[in-house]
Amino acid sequence: KNQVEQSPQSLIILEGKNCTLQCNYTVSPFSNLRWYKQDTGRGPVSLTIMTFSENTKSNGRYTATLDADTKQSSLHITASQLSDSASYICVVSGGGFSGGYNKLIFGAGTRLAVHP
Amino acid sequence: ETGVTQTPRHLVMGMTNKKSLKCEQHLGHNAMYWYKQSAKKPLELMFVYSLEERVENNSVPSRFSPECPNSSHLFLHLHTLQPEDSALYLCASSQDWGEEVYEQYFGPGTRLTVT
Repeated sequence: KNQVEQSPQSLIILEGKNCTLQCNYTVSPFSNLRWYKQDTGRGPVSLTIMTFSENTKSNGRYTATLDADTKQSSLHITASQLSDSASYICVVSGGGFSGGYNKLIFGAGTRLAVHP
Repeated sequence: ETGVTQTPRHLVMGMTNKKSLKCEQHLGHNAMYWYKQSAKKPLELMFVYSLEERVENNSVPSRFSPECPNSSHLFLHLHTLQPEDSALYLCASSQDWGEEVYEQYFGPGTRLTVT
């Protein structure tokens, strides 16, 4: 079954600290993996997209890694800020569904709270 | 802003009401999507439109009826909803739809409460 699991469900850190969010998936065949940030009351906003051949990608203080062999990804946030408080959603494209297209399979997200 | 707008932002309706959600994208995209986001659950894809043609309907109950009059506008018509339909409804658009890796741009969502 094609699934995306994220851990932890929620996380509280102090401002200025680093943190790492995890994403494990069982989607096959795999096309790409995306990390989104969703602020409360807003729609998700893309942070990174990685294909099979990419194992790391950065966007400012956000660095995503991908291990396609173990089907794991992580999102590392450096020097956290209060504005990093949000839900972070891992999304995997793949599955080789009928009709010749890939689906987006969403994780449930990790809710991050950065405290002063 | 992402270039995708949704109205209304909040909606409270009774189970016998009929209402519509509206989405508009200003990005020149060809594909538009409706998602449902319930608390602590993954986003659920409801409908996909590509060039105004519905290309996916993920076993969504008939009380949800989408409409795509042109590539810039997408509606979700609601009637006789149930309390469990209360959720955040997100609209998204992408350049195209298919096998390629197309970035999806999300609107802010409509927070729907069914009483």
